[in-house]
Amino acid sequence: DIQLTQSPSTLSASVGDRVTITCRATQSIGSWLAWYQQKPGKAPKFLIYRASRLENGVPSRFSGSGSGTEFTLSISSLQPDDFATYYCQYYKTYGFGQGTKVEIK
Amino acid sequence: EVQLLESGGGLVQPGGSLRLSCAASGFTFSRYAMNWVRQAPGKGLEWVSGVSNSGDDTYYADSVKGRFTISRDNSKNTVYLQLNSLRDEDTAVYYCAKDYLPQTSSPPFQHWGQGTLVSVST
Repeated sequence: DIQLTQSPSTLSASVGDRVTITCRATQSIGSWLAWYQQKPGKAPKFLIYRASRLENGVPSRFSGSGSGTEFTLSISSLQPDDFATYYCQYYKTYGFGQGTKVEIK
Repeated sequence: EVQLLESGGGLVQPGGSLRLSCAASGFTFSRYAMNWVRQAPGKGLEWVSGVSNSGDDTYYADSVKGRFTISRDNSKNTVYLQLNSLRDEDTAVYYCAKDYLPQTSSPPFQHWGQGTLVSVST
């Protein structure tokens, strides 16, 4: 089975920083990848589909890139509302990465 | 506005059963596949099960295959998850989630409910 590994597991950053989260697949998965944001005690929120396409209403400071086995989620200028845990998901297996927590430095 | 409202969670002993429900509104329910995703305390997301828009096709994670059953009633705009032979490791918040595109039975999941907690313990 194809597995997704996110790095880092935890990322400490300040408001205004550019942050990048990586999701690596054990085999090529094309662009069949989505990203979600989850805050404590809340349901996940859908951010990005097909690796790089922003869901309607998601701020443009979020961007996704990559194809094949390596993908990134970037936040160009971290805002207070962005401190959360982020997950990638592979379409074909429905499986998620283990998550990356973005915390305040 | 899309709304997904889960219910049916609670405390159950190992080996017991529960039925979760997810009532949907704000979209044409019969056009979209639906899913259940769970999250154990302090852990990440785990996809559990999915059902096609018609209900004809169902999908399960290996961890629940043979124990859990997903179904839907398009006349009631509701999806269900029957949980049997529950184990300690099934303790989690269970989320209902709607596919992004109609009639695809595939992620991503565009809308999520707020979740219902299932606790398996003696």
